[in-house]
Amino acid sequence: GAVVSQHPSWVICKSGTSVKIECRSLDFQATTMFWYRQFPKQSLMLMATSNEGSKATYEQGVEKDKFLINHASLTLSTLTVTSAHPEDSSFYICSADLRETQYFGPGTRLLVL
Amino acid sequence: TQLLEQSPQFLSIQEGENLTVYCNSSSVFSSLQWYRQEPGEGPVLLVTVVTGGEVKKLKRLTFQFGDARKDSSLHITAAQPGDTGLYLCAGGEGRTNAGKSTFGDGTTLTVKP
Repeated sequence: GAVVSQHPSWVICKSGTSVKIECRSLDFQATTMFWYRQFPKQSLMLMATSNEGSKATYEQGVEKDKFLINHASLTLSTLTVTSAHPEDSSFYICSADLRETQYFGPGTRLLVL
Repeated sequence: TQLLEQSPQFLSIQEGENLTVYCNSSSVFSSLQWYRQEPGEGPVLLVTVVTGGEVKKLKRLTFQFGDARKDSSLHITAAQPGDTGLYLCAGGEGRTNAGKSTFGDGTTLTVKP
């Protein structure tokens, strides 16, 4: 149990375009999901907390207008990277909270050319 | 802000050796999780410990939660190349902080055959 999926697993896009990443909890409902960014050989950097039915809470330094988060249902949260630039290239990982334990998706590799 | 100091940051050992990874904080956590992450994938939950002094075993892995719930250790016996990966500890803050977790910086383990 406690399976989380992410789609797509990797994406290449041109600078200036927007990219949407989906995070789904497959076998449980998650009121809270989290979005992280990870650089090579480093730990996870929390970007925002996604709450079902309400606005996301962003960490300091994360631009809410650039990283749009929508948590429209108890099993789906989406992260949209708007007007992506090469510096947005990274590994994005979501997690879903179940009984105060976070279960992670497999990650999405984003490359902005 | 709660911090989790994880050590060592990098560890390279031969197959068959034992090792211990430490996770220390001055803060008390309601729970602590250990994850293992392989390159290009999301972290996979290994264990959750919630009680001070708790010890859990998962085959060759032994996890301990400190009596005061401020620190934890992961001990691997007779390491194998398949144990190679990034190990992350995460302190759960429960509902007092919207379900967020504090992550250690990670330990990159390489087990050479």
